[in-house]
Amino acid sequence: GAGVSQSPSNKVTEKGKDVELRCDPISGHTALYWYRQRLGQGLEFLIYFQGNSAPDKSGLPSDRFSAERTGESVSTLTIQRTQQEDSAVYLCASSLWLPSSGNTIYFGEGSWLTVV
Amino acid sequence: AQTVTQSQPEMSVQEAETVTLSCTYDTSESNYYLFWYKQPPSRQMILVIRQEAYKQQNATENRFSVNFQKAAKSFSLKISDSQLGDTAMYFCAFMRVGSQGNLIFGKGTKLSVKP
Repeated sequence: GAGVSQSPSNKVTEKGKDVELRCDPISGHTALYWYRQRLGQGLEFLIYFQGNSAPDKSGLPSDRFSAERTGESVSTLTIQRTQQEDSAVYLCASSLWLPSSGNTIYFGEGSWLTVV
Repeated sequence: AQTVTQSQPEMSVQEAETVTLSCTYDTSESNYYLFWYKQPPSRQMILVIRQEAYKQQNATENRFSVNFQKAAKSFSLKISDSQLGDTAMYFCAFMRVGSQGNLIFGKGTKLSVKP
């Protein structure tokens, strides 16, 4: 696609419910990243995928958070038993190669999650 | 652990004037990248400029330039001829080479360009 696409754009959910956030990276990008941005804060790195593998999951805030990627394309971030502190914008990004080789990371517009 | 500090929560500038946004960082690494990202109300993070730590020359992209002082661990962004469309949150970010996309962000500076 032309850019990184995320859905839903906005989601309001009740505390305790599960939510799934979806990310479609730029076509051909092998690296995919998830970040969280709380209100008035910078971004927190959550997890990255190289292909379908996530070598380092230590950035995920708790075991209620999980992420997967299939077909080296779409990724889903799942939050189980949501809590109010999970309210944030969840940003997905992708890059052609790992950025340490000098490639730019492109961000989507994010999914705004509100837990009530 | 690396940290990024942006000491100016908010700034404003008149259209066509120049403004400088400050950023300092703390790291023991010698090989890293520094970035400035812009986040307009649409929420999409847009890369403004990047700097490789091994390069002494300051990066420049059109109206945007940086003052990279490696010894002082300072990385300020200068916006020349400010335009209304420059109104946004600006985030400074650090990434260690080999860190697999783990960008460390500052808390941001809200820039308002006034007509």
